Amino acid sequence: DTGVSQDPRHKITKRGQNVTFRCDPISEHNRLYWYRQTLGQGPEFLTYFQNEAQLEKSRLLSDRFSAERPKGSFSTLEIQRTEQGDSAMYLCASSLWQGIEETQYFGPGTRLLVL
Amino acid sequence: DQQVKQNSPSLSVQEGRISILNCDYTNSMFDYFLWYKKYPAEGPTFLISISSIKDKNEDGRFTVFLNKSAKHLSLHIVPSQPGDSAVYFCAASAYGGNQFYFGTGTSLTVIP
Repeated sequence: DTGVSQDPRHKITKRGQNVTFRCDPISEHNRLYWYRQTLGQGPEFLTYFQNEAQLEKSRLLSDRFSAERPKGSFSTLEIQRTEQGDSAMYLCASSLWQGIEETQYFGPGTRLLVL
Repeated sequence: DQQVKQNSPSLSVQEGRISILNCDYTNSMFDYFLWYKKYPAEGPTFLISISSIKDKNEDGRFTVFLNKSAKHLSLHIVPSQPGDSAVYFCAASAYGGNQFYFGTGTSLTVIP
């Protein structure tokens, strides 16, 4: 399977703990996105990378959130001092940006539950 | 501020009939639109897209129509099949942009 993969698929944690999620994009894709989705809503943009550079962060991304894509391949999203409001599905997507329209391909998501 | 809106949270259609899912947007800078399909516990799967230079794009049973003056797009599925039952999201982006703006989704149920 050469699609976008995410690990773990599910994470239950206690409030105040740190969690880290991993995303492996489609291999030739140069852009990688993180989204958050809560019940009854569509995915909401958090941040994206072009190769290893983080080019944009949403105001939804508080200081407790940090994302990296150190070698322009896989990416990690860390949430420090988790809060119950962080409970959501975290989606990763990748795309091949060539200067025109791009199509983002999503992974299966990591469902986070903060108790 | 919801820039992409799907005002019908759910839709039920008989198998073999046409399903029409609607989406409205407010940002006139949007010029690329996509539909995604999502099954429970999975990520969204790309279905079909349309650029603002077109008003129709067709792929098999799926056709997307774009009405730029009305800032409206629709997805037609014909004939509808039970396997089409899922949540459908429309998304929009602006040229040179990066983030997609998603609607809240329409849950389609195709009744056998």
